[in-house]
Amino acid sequence: GAVVSQHPSRVICKSGTSVKIECRSLDFQATTMFWYRQFPKQSLMLMATSNEGSKATYEQGVEKDKFLINHASLTLSTLTVTSAHPEDSSFYICSARGLTDSNQPQHFGDGTRLSIL
Amino acid sequence: RKEVEQDPGPFNVPEGATVAFNCTYSNSASQSFFWYRQDCRKEPKLLMSVYSSGNEDGRFTAQLNRASQYISLLIRDSKLSDSATYLCAVNKGTGFQKLVFGTGTRLLVSP
Repeated sequence: GAVVSQHPSRVICKSGTSVKIECRSLDFQATTMFWYRQFPKQSLMLMATSNEGSKATYEQGVEKDKFLINHASLTLSTLTVTSAHPEDSSFYICSARGLTDSNQPQHFGDGTRLSIL
Repeated sequence: RKEVEQDPGPFNVPEGATVAFNCTYSNSASQSFFWYRQDCRKEPKLLMSVYSSGNEDGRFTAQLNRASQYISLLIRDSKLSDSATYLCAVNKGTGFQKLVFGTGTRLLVSP
């Protein structure tokens, strides 16, 4: 089955640090990758949609200058949380979708738990 | 009204029970529907897609009611290992596949 790898799985850092999270599709080419954030006891909220070779599309309310997304290849997208603050602490999850049928589900990475002190 | 709504639960059931969850969606143009399972502090894992004619996978049955705009998940013969949060996901419309997730329904199966 399709495998999506996310790294790192856990980050603890000081306020003001920038954190980069990688999302890789290991056995398929991901034309589209999605970045979600999930706060405790809440649902996954889509932050942005990343298409290979083009600028990401951000959801309303998500600051594109704070959450930098790069999708430079068909197997890798990165999310950088710039100058992170405690309120950015959350569970960040990526998902990917391949070239085939658009009705296929997304495949999720195993998430990155970000804690800003 | 939220785009996708679920009863957060928790649903507390004994082993062997049958339990059903509903999920309502507001966008009548939605074409794709999914049930995901999420364990505590883990990523969601696809449980099953939901087809118009309804579909079954072992103890799990999913159904779609387009007229009333809801999907359902039925779990028969509950196991302890079924304890998790069940998220429904609905695409935002035709074409591009952006998923909107419900808040999830928590299921606790006890011995």
